[in-house]
Amino acid sequence: GQSLEQPSEVTAVEGAIVQINCTYQTSGFYGLSWYQQHDGGAPTFLSYNALDGLEETGRFSSFLSRSDSYGYLLLQELQMKDSASYFCAVFNKFYFGSGTKLNVKP
Amino acid sequence: SQTIHQWPATLVQPVGSPLSLECTVEGTSNPNLYWYRQAAGRGLQLLFYSVGIGQISSEVPQNLSASRPQDRQFILSSKKLLLSDSGFYLCAWSDLSGGDEKLFFGSGTQLSVL
Repeated sequence: GQSLEQPSEVTAVEGAIVQINCTYQTSGFYGLSWYQQHDGGAPTFLSYNALDGLEETGRFSSFLSRSDSYGYLLLQELQMKDSASYFCAVFNKFYFGSGTKLNVKP
Repeated sequence: SQTIHQWPATLVQPVGSPLSLECTVEGTSNPNLYWYRQAAGRGLQLLFYSVGIGQISSEVPQNLSASRPQDRQFILSSKKLLLSDSGFYLCAWSDLSGGDEKLFFGSGTQLSVL
């Protein structure tokens, strides 16, 4: 089976940096994705890591260590609009973690 | 460009009634299609996925079924709804033939079973 572990909630202030961790156990692993979901909305794709290392996309970066079955999403220069839930997902039929609710405070 | 349509946006149904949610994708051919359910404040549970017409894989035994009568149409059904079927249902597609590891989601259906 598959399991993905994420913290349930994280709080940070505007302008800060926050890291959301994800550990996974799965068979047939191809890569790790991250999605953002605002309340009442649909998830949207943020990033994907197939290989070890850091991928940077603007204020967001994602990291993967396949040997540790671990990844994280790094959000820099936090803005109020970043308040949302963030999900990691393993790319093998797209199984999702339980999500991390990020609260950004002024 | 590709778009995904899912309807209705909200639905209130009595226990024991049937259900049919429809999802269609435009602008691509032979997509992989997925149905997810999300309980309030929780993660996304994969219900069904399909790699082609008539090819459905079920991830979780439950009161629901899925069908793919056409290449870009995916339908989620139930003969008799249970209270536990309430949730936010999301349809999604991906194009793995092109090496696309992204999922694109519809806007979702909020189902309340009363």
